[in-house]
Amino acid sequence: KAGVTQTPRYLIKTRGQQVTLSCSPISGHRSVSWYQQTPGQGLQFLFEYFSETQRNKGNFPGRFSGRQFSNSRSEMNVSTLELGDSALYLCASSESGTPNTGELFFGEGSRLTVL
Amino acid sequence: DQQVKQNSPSLSVQEGRISILNCDYTNSMFDYFLWYKKYPAEGPTFLISISSIKDKNEDGRFTVFLNKSAKHLSLHIVPSQPGDSAVYFCAASIRADMRFGAGTRLTVKP
Repeated sequence: KAGVTQTPRYLIKTRGQQVTLSCSPISGHRSVSWYQQTPGQGLQFLFEYFSETQRNKGNFPGRFSGRQFSNSRSEMNVSTLELGDSALYLCASSESGTPNTGELFFGEGSRLTVL
Repeated sequence: DQQVKQNSPSLSVQEGRISILNCDYTNSMFDYFLWYKKYPAEGPTFLISISSIKDKNEDGRFTVFLNKSAKHLSLHIVPSQPGDSAVYFCAASIRADMRFGAGTRLTVKP
């Protein structure tokens, strides 16, 4: 089984621009979660999608948005980029989205640098 | 709001000794707890988990302990090996909402 695939792996943007990151979950997994990793803050939960519906949302501003497609692939978008948005964005998938039955499988992340 | 806290950003131990990583949480509704390990340039990978109905779970060299009254969990690695050097994240979940700590960087010296 192929793992969680995230694209692009690295990207550089300037303040004010917007960015779209893509995540392809493991085949058969219907839940996709997004996390932001920054030094000292660990993994901050952005949102979680299941069957094209956002089920959970973290405490991020509305500039951060996401969606999930019928094939479970997910995208997240950040508009009006700020310097503080520089981070590693991690996508994780799971079969049902119920952690009691198993763990999250993470991709390698998309490293965003905002200049 | 940091519902899951790892107060030690780093830990260094000698090969063969025990590594103890700690984690505290504030939300008593969390019902499942996990530890993930992360190497540089890779995504976190699942290590071990424990349900809130248990107080201990063992898997080889790794043991997780849960103290619900103290809202505290810990990961013990015995014996520690150089390959265990990584960042360890603890996580706590309610249904599909999983929250992570800031991570502890473990260095195991040969």
